[in-house]
Amino acid sequence: NAGVMQNPRHLVRRRGQEARLRCSPMKGHSHVYWYRQLPEEGLKFMVYLQKENIIDESGMPKERFSAEFPKEGPSILRIQQVVRGDSAAYFCASSPPTAPGGYEQYFGPGTRLTVT
Amino acid sequence: GQNIDQPTEMTATEGAIVQINCTYQTSGFNGLFWYQQHAGEAPTFLSYNVLDGLEEKGRFSSFLSRSKGYSYLLLKELQMKDSASYLCAVIRGSTLGRLYFGRGTQLTVWP
Repeated sequence: NAGVMQNPRHLVRRRGQEARLRCSPMKGHSHVYWYRQLPEEGLKFMVYLQKENIIDESGMPKERFSAEFPKEGPSILRIQQVVRGDSAAYFCASSPPTAPGGYEQYFGPGTRLTVT
Repeated sequence: GQNIDQPTEMTATEGAIVQINCTYQTSGFNGLFWYQQHAGEAPTFLSYNVLDGLEEKGRFSSFLSRSKGYSYLLLKELQMKDSASYLCAVIRGSTLGRLYFGRGTQLTVWP
């Protein structure tokens, strides 16, 4: 059973461009979580999604950031008009429907975004 | 907000025992997790405590005291591969799905 997949692993964008980060949860998992890890900081929760539904986006900046988890395909975290402060590692985690509420989160390897 | 504190760095030698502490202040506490994260890799689950006491799992044990807002991760018979960052995280009943992480403790194991 493949783990949580994230791509790309590394992404370089110039200021003002858009960044799209993809996350494929583990097979059978229907809950997805996105976290951001800034240098020298802990992981910070951004958003919690189920298929076609945003459960909690209170950790996500109000502007430029959006997330979706469509019925088919991976979850996408989208950052518009990136700025240098968006440079960070973005981790996705998933959990099975039998463990709602985030008690069993499996993390992907992360996407390292660098904004130049 | 949530206050989760753990030491920034620790060092130990192969074969030794090390204890990594974590203190937290949060309302609606509903459990504490420990994750291990090697540089450039995904955090991997080590333990989950919701009741007071010690949970043992091989070379790793985790302890929780809810009244003191305190947990520790105990690593025995240290190996070089245990060099990693150890992340303490809490979950609240009112915001299920969201883990609140400390900054992590970077453990270096010397030969």
